[in-house]
Amino acid sequence: GENVEQHPSTLSVQEGDSAVIKCTYSDSASNYFPWYKQELGKRPQLIIDIRSNVGEKKDQRIAVTLNKTAKHFSLHITETQPEDSAVYFCAASGSYQLTFGKGTKLSVIP
Amino acid sequence: DGGITQSPKYLFRKEGQNVTLSCEQNLNHDAMYWYRQDPGQGLRLIYYSQIVNDFQKGDIAEGYSVSREKKESFPLTVTSAQKNPTAFYLCASSIATGTEYGYTFGSGTRLTVV
Repeated sequence: GENVEQHPSTLSVQEGDSAVIKCTYSDSASNYFPWYKQELGKRPQLIIDIRSNVGEKKDQRIAVTLNKTAKHFSLHITETQPEDSAVYFCAASGSYQLTFGKGTKLSVIP
Repeated sequence: DGGITQSPKYLFRKEGQNVTLSCEQNLNHDAMYWYRQDPGQGLRLIYYSQIVNDFQKGDIAEGYSVSREKKESFPLTVTSAQKNPTAFYLCASSIATGTEYGYTFGSGTRLTVV
């Protein structure tokens, strides 16, 4: 089955700086890679996703890049704000379900 | 307002007791999932269902059971065989399994053994 590794597990940045979270996956058949943001005690919310036929996707301050050859994808957040503080999960599509990374706790320091 | 509703938000279980967590969706999604979330462990799949009256074990199904009698509902029972049930449980749904569509999550149930 699919295996997803996510790094780092914790990340602290100063407000206004950029944050990068990286994930690798094992199944070359995976073709869909979403990112979720989970605030404390709340449900994960989809923030951006990318499909295998696309190398990069951007939505305002958030971007995701995908390298299918190397089987890794990354989340980039620019001009970070305190409200970006949360746990971020990457995921990769398996045969019947998404497989999630273990999460990155992002802290944005004002 | 479409979405997934989980209840209760907090649940306390005594030793040796079975408890059932509710998950209802009105999104007309075929696929539904149960995940367990522990600190530092991410989301681990317990069970999933692709269609009514069918469900499959996930990675950590031992000590849990489910049913899918209606498209809208996918309740999870935590049995007494689950020795460490304290966790945050998330239900999710999607249009279908194995597709390029993300999940919609419920707001979760926090289960504590007392």
